[in-house]
Amino acid sequence: LAKTTQPISMDSYEGQEVNITCSHNNIATNDYITWYQQFPSQGPRFIIQGYKTKVTNEVASLFIPADRKSSTLSLPRVSLSDTAVYYCLVVAGGYNKLIFGAGTRLAVHP
Amino acid sequence: EPEVTQTPSHQVTQMGQEVILRCVPISNHLYFYWYRQILGQKVEFLVSFYNNEISEKSEIFDDQFSVERPDGSNFTLKIRSTKLEDSAMYFCAIEGGGDPSGRAMNEQFFGPGTRLTVL
Repeated sequence: LAKTTQPISMDSYEGQEVNITCSHNNIATNDYITWYQQFPSQGPRFIIQGYKTKVTNEVASLFIPADRKSSTLSLPRVSLSDTAVYYCLVVAGGYNKLIFGAGTRLAVHP
Repeated sequence: EPEVTQTPSHQVTQMGQEVILRCVPISNHLYFYWYRQILGQKVEFLVSFYNNEISEKSEIFDDQFSVERPDGSNFTLKIRSTKLEDSAMYFCAIEGGGDPSGRAMNEQFFGPGTRLTVL
């Protein structure tokens, strides 16, 4: 599976939009880009997944350019409760282990 | 969203003791996973389990570790002789089964975790 690279940490303020970019240069044709969120002392939680272009759900948007070598998770109008670690993963089809990197530690300030 | 419970929430044990961590998915699922997260580090895959067999395991999952599904519902992780470095959060995750509509590829649902402290 393709290795992912994302910033170690980010800071934001309540009400701002946060964009976290992830690079996955070696992504394969069958791979999907997936983002998980983890709060302290909790298990990771699925946020969003995409293959190409843009995906939006009630929590976030995911932007994927045509070459799919990177992706951007967008969190609109963050609140204090969005403070968490966000992981970018590349997943293949079928039932497979998830490979987590270090993630991006997002701190939202009042 | 599928629900997963894990017991105990916190386990303190002495080095060399055996521990059994339990995972109970609320509904029927096909694939089970165990992950661990040492404090301040990333989530690491331990083992995947399908159809009552291990389908894949990592280098971490050595002979001290075992998994089983003893009664068709509980899914357990056993560490035979704990070491100090086994101290971590252990997460069970499930995938598959139930209504697949709207589910993402390889979407896994994690339990709340068991914090294992080895003294």
